[in-house]
Formats: sequence, structure tokens, C-alpha cells
Amino acid sequence: KAGVTQTPRYLIKTRGQQVTLSCSPISGHRSVSWYQQTPGQGLQFLFEYFSETQRNKGNFPGRFSGRQFSNSRSEMNVSTLELGDSALYLCASSLRGAGGGTGELFFGEGSRLTVL
Amino acid sequence: DQQVKQNSPSLSVQEGRISILNCDYTNSMFDYFLWYKKYPAEGPTFLISISSIKDKNEDGRFTVFLNKSAKHLSLHIVPSQPGDSAVYFCAASGGNKLVFGAGTILRVKS
Repeated sequence: KAGVTQTPRYLIKTRGQQVTLSCSPISGHRSVSWYQQTPGQGLQFLFEYFSETQRNKGNFPGRFSGRQFSNSRSEMNVSTLELGDSALYLCASSLRGAGGGTGELFFGEGSRLTVL
Repeated sequence: DQQVKQNSPSLSVQEGRISILNCDYTNSMFDYFLWYKKYPAEGPTFLISISSIKDKNEDGRFTVFLNKSAKHLSLHIVPSQPGDSAVYFCAASGGNKLVFGAGTILRVKS
């Protein structure tokens, strides 16, 4: 069974630009969560979508947004990029959701964003 | 407000010895705890978990211990192998939330 697929794997943007990242979950998984990983900060929760609805949201500014499509694929968008947005953005899928049941998530390899 | 804390940013252990990674949490609503392992250029992968109704769960070389009264859990790896070198994230689940710690870099020296 195919794993979680994230595109693009690497990208470089400049301050003020916007970026869209894509995530295709494991087939049958209805929950998609997004995390930001930076050195020393661990995995910071961005948001979770379940059946096209945002179910949870982390403490990130409104420049960070996301959506989920009817096929469970998800996108996240960051507008007006800042240098501090440089990070690895990880997508994870699960059957029941990040906080539901066992909470076991299946992660993609991430999208490495560099903002210059 | 860091609800899940891994106070050791890094740990270095000799091959064959025990590795002990620690994690503390503050929120009593958490009732399920997980450990994930992450290699460079890869996403985290699930390693082992424990429910709050247990105090120990073992899977091969990996054992997780939970002390609910102290709100503390630990991951023991015995014996440690060079391939265990990775970043280990502790996570706590409950109330429709899953919160990760900052991670501990484990280096196993051969």
C-alpha cells in the first residue's frame, strides 16, 4: 500500500512570496495533519483535516492555511513568507485522526522549504 | 506552553548498552503515549506506544514505561545499536489532540 506522498520535496522561495504544499494520504485515511519541524522546536502542529473539515488548529498565524479535498488529498498554503518560515513541513495521515484512538500517524517525507 | 517536554536535546550511548530517553507531560487529559523515530530526510515513523491503563509496554528491544503520578514516560532501548541513531519524539494523545515533544537526538557509537 502506497505511503503518504508530499510534493514538492524541496523548494526555495523569497520573502513575501506564497507557497502551496501538497499531501496525498494513505488510501482510506480520512485524517490529514500538518506539522512544522524546526531545529529545537520539535514537531509543531499546524492543523488537522478530517473529511474535508478542519478539526483542529495549532497556534500559527493566519498566513498558514489549508484545505482538504473530497479524495482526502490536502494542501497547505503559506502566504507572505518570512525567513522564519524556513522549515520541514510534514504531513501525516491516519484513519481516525491525530487525537482519536491510538493517535498513530503515518508521515510523509516532508517538504523542505527555504525562504531567502 | 509546552505540554510535552523532552529535556535532553541529545544522548550519546555506546553500542550494546542501554539507551534511556525521557519525556514529561503536564496535561492530565492525555491517555495515550507514543514514541516516533526520525532519520534525516525521512518522515517520523511510529515506534511504540502505551495506554494510560498500563505502566509498561515491550516490543523487542524497545520498552516504554509510564509513571502516571509523575506524568513521566521513558523509552528504553536494550541493547542499543548504531542503526538506532536517530531523533526520537515523544507524543501524547487525548482530547482530540496529539502533542509532540521537541525530540532527543540519540547517537549510538560503535
